[in-house]
Amino acid sequence: KNEVEQSPQNLTAQEGEFITINCSYSVGISALHWLQQHPGGGIVSLFMLSSGKKKHGRLIATINIQEKHSSLHITASHPRDSAVYICAAYFYGGSQGNLIFGKGTKLSVKP
Amino acid sequence: KAGVTQTPRYLIKTRGQQVTLSCSPISGHRSVSWYQQTPGQGLQFLFEYFSETQRNKGNFPGRFSGRQFSNSRSEMNVSTLELGDSALYLCASSLGTGVTSTDTQYFGPGTRLTVL
Repeated sequence: KNEVEQSPQNLTAQEGEFITINCSYSVGISALHWLQQHPGGGIVSLFMLSSGKKKHGRLIATINIQEKHSSLHITASHPRDSAVYICAAYFYGGSQGNLIFGKGTKLSVKP
Repeated sequence: KAGVTQTPRYLIKTRGQQVTLSCSPISGHRSVSWYQQTPGQGLQFLFEYFSETQRNKGNFPGRFSGRQFSNSRSEMNVSTLELGDSALYLCASSLGTGVTSTDTQYFGPGTRLTVL
């Protein structure tokens, strides 16, 4: 069964702290997504990774294919980073693929 | 450039009815993906269309179907509604082939469906 696990479920940090959110998956995948969902419900796509590392501003995403693991890092966290962060893994099988989501990590950054 | 639009934004239906939701992608985008979000199950992938062809599909029953038109607009249909279909339905568009593309996906605001 294709599964995606995220940790931690909840995370509280002080402004300026370095944050890491983890995502692991059960079998080989073709791609992994990181999404951000704001308290109002809007979703923003942050990264799509198939290997290596990507960086955008203070956000860094890495993926280790052999260990079936990805991490999302936020440097110099800010209260506006408070949101739910969701990873999703793309599993390809047969003629079509499926995207399986983790349960999300709720991040709260205190000033 | 206008963002992804979804209509209607809110909808109330009763069990057994059917519903059609619409998604207009960003101009020039050829891929549309659909997602269901509930408090219990979180986000789940429904299906993805690229150039009018379904490319990927999640684990939903056949009551859930979709299509994409030549102008890239997409609709999803749910027949014989059940109480458990109450959810936020989101669509996203991208230039490339959606969930396997390196192109950014842009999400719409969603349609809130309530089944009574």
